[in-house]
Amino acid sequence: EVQMLESGGGLVQPGGSLRLSCAASGFTFSSYSMTWVRRAPGKGLEWVSGINNNAARTYYADSVRGRFTISRDNSKGVLYLQMNSLRAEDTAVYYCAKRQGFTTSSADSWGQGTLVTVSS
Amino acid sequence: QSVLTQPPSVSAAPGQKVTISCSGSTSNIGNNYVSWYRHLPGTAPQLLIYDNNKRPSGIPDRFSGSKSGTSATLGITGLQTGDEADYFCETWDGSLNGGVFGGGTKLTVL
Repeated sequence: EVQMLESGGGLVQPGGSLRLSCAASGFTFSSYSMTWVRRAPGKGLEWVSGINNNAARTYYADSVRGRFTISRDNSKGVLYLQMNSLRAEDTAVYYCAKRQGFTTSSADSWGQGTLVTVSS
Repeated sequence: QSVLTQPPSVSAAPGQKVTISCSGSTSNIGNNYVSWYRHLPGTAPQLLIYDNNKRPSGIPDRFSGSKSGTSATLGITGLQTGDEADYFCETWDGSLNGGVFGGGTKLTVL
């Protein structure tokens, strides 16, 4: 069974940093692109960042480019999101999602999410 | 403002049919596949439709998808109260070089 388990969320002050992790299992992690998607309170889903299967290519939404860094460790089956210079508008539940293949493909499996709250 | 435009809400009675539209442009829907997801806050989003009109295993044929030009549509027939959720379209945007979601549509089954 495919499973993704996010961790690392919490309360952080504006300007602070957090690193999210997503432990994947049940599939050949190194064969699939992965993405981070978030949903802020009262808002819709927002595509945040994506990475291809071998980490050669990374993609970012304009809202996080230059502040967030996506990475992966294929030997451990873990996806990461390093979040720096956090802002109140980054407050959201962050989901990791497995893509069917390329980063442009559909997200066929999702984690339960981890909550990030940016507040003083 | 989302790159993809969806109606904020739709509603229909149990057993009826509803459609949800998703409008974009040539940089996104016009040149890429569209996916549809169902999401209830606090749970994991669920893929309903991929590659414009394909259903993953386990998704009933009450759910259908179509695409024409720069717009896509999700159809749900035989509505059930359990279908109440937020529905989102997604595709790739070649100009932004990233994925984009619609603003979401809240489905109410009256």
